[in-house]
Amino acid sequence: GNSVTQMEGPVTLSEEAFLTINCTYTATGYPSLFWYVQYPGEGLQLLLKATKADDKGSNKGFEATYRKETTSFHLEKGSVQVSDSAVYFCALSETMDSSYKLIFGSGTRLLVRP
Amino acid sequence: GAVVSQHPSWVICKSGTSVKIECRSLDFQATTMFWYRQFPKQSLMLMATSNEGSKATYEQGVEKDKFLINHASLTLSTLTVTSAHPEDSSFYICSARSQNSYEQYFGPGTRLTVT
Repeated sequence: GNSVTQMEGPVTLSEEAFLTINCTYTATGYPSLFWYVQYPGEGLQLLLKATKADDKGSNKGFEATYRKETTSFHLEKGSVQVSDSAVYFCALSETMDSSYKLIFGSGTRLLVRP
Repeated sequence: GAVVSQHPSWVICKSGTSVKIECRSLDFQATTMFWYRQFPKQSLMLMATSNEGSKATYEQGVEKDKFLINHASLTLSTLTVTSAHPEDSSFYICSARSQNSYEQYFGPGTRLTVT
């Protein structure tokens, strides 16, 4: 079946450090890939997405590239801020599934220290 | 942007009682709503998918008689946990999407504690 695996946290970084959160997936078809972010006390928000191989999603300085050959969708940011502290979820949605249901990874907590 | 609310944000109930959680789309019509369960430090687990006006589709292993889902209107879905037990204590999250859109908008979640 379909699944998403992401690195365990917490990831602790100093402000302005480079961030990578790894995400790999297993899918039978051609999924769309997503990164969601959950700030403390809030609901999940879509951070970025990519719908086909080699697409790069980007938003708020975060980027992730859909790599079909390595079945990966790693999240990166060149310089993190304290306000980026949150839990990040990688997810996939099978494009052939009309319900568009999401399969999530386990989440990675990011702590950015001043 | 699209806003989804949940009520209550937290609830404590006694074992054996039932509790209802509401999920509302505030500024769009939600043709499909999803209910998730999230355990501490774990991922969101999809429980069921509901389409307005039809029966919910439950994921494998989810007891449909225990977790009753109703999606009677385009802006409201409810999850009723029947005969709750301490092992049902969890964080329940709903999401909603409109017709012809793949994007899901998430509610802030409801913390259920069964004593």
